[in-house]
Amino acid sequence: GAVVSQHPSWVICKSGTSVKIECRSLDFQATTMFWYRQFPKQSLMLMATSNEGSKATYEQGVEKDKFLINHASLTLSTLTVTSAHPEDSSFYICSAIRTDTETQYFGPGTRLLVL
Amino acid sequence: GENVEQHPSTLSVQEGDSAVIKCTYSDSASNYFPWYKQELGKRPQLIIDIRSNVGEKKDQRIAVTLNKTAKHFSLHITETQPEDSAVYFCAASDFSGTYKYIFGTGTRLKVLA
Repeated sequence: GAVVSQHPSWVICKSGTSVKIECRSLDFQATTMFWYRQFPKQSLMLMATSNEGSKATYEQGVEKDKFLINHASLTLSTLTVTSAHPEDSSFYICSAIRTDTETQYFGPGTRLLVL
Repeated sequence: GENVEQHPSTLSVQEGDSAVIKCTYSDSASNYFPWYKQELGKRPQLIIDIRSNVGEKKDQRIAVTLNKTAKHFSLHITETQPEDSAVYFCAASDFSGTYKYIFGTGTRLKVLA
């Protein structure tokens, strides 16, 4: 099956620092990737759609200047949480669309803790 | 905007019994409905999906039914086992080119041995 990786799996950082999370599709090309945030015992909340070669599309209420997304290639999208604060602590999950099956495959997630 | 409601939020069943989780969507353009299973701290895993041209799909102990008129779709798990315990999410998508999924709020299933 399709494999999506995420790095790092865990991040602990001080308030005010920036954190970059990578999402890679390992065995297929993905023109579209998604970034989600999941708080404990809650559903996946879509933050933005990452499109290869163009600007990301952000969901309502998500600050584009705080959550920078770059989709530089057909297998890599990055999410940078700029000037992270404790309220940004969450589980961040990416996903990639495999267009031949029209199925969304999820990465293993990155747990961010901002102190 | 688009919305997917999911019920119940928690469900406890005895091992061997059946479990049913129901979702309702609002966007009539939705035509693809996947179900994901998420274990604690792990990624969601696709367990079954259905497209709008099909009313029912089955894969061993798991089945999904779709009622497009009522905008309802349901997940059925038969002969439940303790390893079925997890959080289950439904989703709806219109595959209009964005491939964006709208997820339900999740159901925490506990299968009691």
